[in-house]
Amino acid sequence: EAQVTQNPRYLITVTGKKLTVTCSQNMNHEYMSWYRQDPGLGLRQIYYSMNVEVTDKGDVPEGYKVSRKEKRNFPLILESPSPNQTSLYFCASNAGAGEQYFGPGTRLTVT
Amino acid sequence: KQEVTQIPAALSVPEGENLVLNCSFTDSAIYNLQWFRQDPGKGLTSLLLIQSSQREQTSGRLNASLDKSSGRSTLYIAASQPGDSATYLCAVPGGGGFQKLVFGTGTRLLVSP
Repeated sequence: EAQVTQNPRYLITVTGKKLTVTCSQNMNHEYMSWYRQDPGLGLRQIYYSMNVEVTDKGDVPEGYKVSRKEKRNFPLILESPSPNQTSLYFCASNAGAGEQYFGPGTRLTVT
Repeated sequence: KQEVTQIPAALSVPEGENLVLNCSFTDSAIYNLQWFRQDPGKGLTSLLLIQSSQREQTSGRLNASLDKSSGRSTLYIAASQPGDSATYLCAVPGGGGFQKLVFGTGTRLLVSP
């Protein structure tokens, strides 16, 4: 089954404690992205990757890091989380002009 | 810069009605347009993908049309059911390639029994 998986699904943490949200896809897609969704602001892209070792900033990259060492994985790293990073996070993947597939989401709360 | 707008923002209908959701985009040079469904606090489920060369796509009770020249897409839902209640989002590629989707603001649909 074609899918994008994310872990964890829910996370409550404290300010400044480094965390990583994992993302994996099984469709051999070149493109992968991270989005955050906030009430009233909709979905905004954080970072994207066009292939292994090729990443670039999206619209709201501040406070986040990513890496793409393998084609299937695209982890999102928050080195020092802050309360304004409390949000619903989605990982997505696609192969060029094809359909975009989204993961189930990770609800992050930073206190 | 691509901007996507959806009208109406919210819609409440009785079960059985046919309904139309609208999506407008400012830059007509798009590769495709995708419609998603999102249940509260949940992930995005892809409903339909229309390539730029296509005029419409159908899946069950859903039909999506695309008019690139006017920058519009519509999602038609036939014989609506309470299970159709969700937020519907349209999205188009932005940034000149396939690396990003620009999302509309969404239409929150409530279908009453």
